[in-house]
Amino acid sequence: GEDVEQSLFLSVREGDSSVINCTYTDSSSTYLYWYKQEPGAGLQLLTYIFSNMDMKQDQRLTVLLNKKDKHLSLRIADTQTGDSAIYFCAETPNTGGFKTIFGAGTRLFVKA
Amino acid sequence: ETGVTQTPRHLVMGMTNKKSLKCEQHLGHNAMYWYKQSAKKPLELMFVYSLEERVENNSVPSRFSPECPNSSHLFLHLHTLQPEDSALYLCASSQEWGASYEQYFGPGTRLTVT
Repeated sequence: GEDVEQSLFLSVREGDSSVINCTYTDSSSTYLYWYKQEPGAGLQLLTYIFSNMDMKQDQRLTVLLNKKDKHLSLRIADTQTGDSAIYFCAETPNTGGFKTIFGAGTRLFVKA
Repeated sequence: ETGVTQTPRHLVMGMTNKKSLKCEQHLGHNAMYWYKQSAKKPLELMFVYSLEERVENNSVPSRFSPECPNSSHLFLHLHTLQPEDSALYLCASSQEWGASYEQYFGPGTRLTVT
């Protein structure tokens, strides 16, 4: 079946690293994404990773993919108060139709 | 105006009302999407249009009726809704319908059904 799971809340102190975790069920997924949603706004693509990659780094963001365990993580280095938002993990299974499956989102609280 | 816009931003309607949500994208994209976002639940894909043709209908009740008159506009017509339909309705667009294409989201319409 298609399912993406992530914890609902994460709280960190400003300057620390944040790690948001996600598990997915469809091993055929070709693309995995992290979206960010700020209050009152729509989702915005932060980064994505192809299923043939283990890691992708983009400035303060590091994405790690463990295909064996179907586990995806997003690490935000030097977390700032402006990083407070909801972070959605998503996958696109390679089963035709290109339907993107989203998780419920992890709300990140950054304490000053 | 740029990006994906949605109107209205907030809507309160009774169960017997008929209303429509509007989405407009100024990005020249060929694919448009409706999603439902409920608290603590995964984002649910409702409909996908590619080149003005519906390509996904994700078992959505008939009280939700989409319309895509052209590639820049997408509507969601609502009638005889239920209180459990209260949610944030997000519109998105992408250059084409496919896994490699980033989806650009609008700010959403917060719908409350009384």
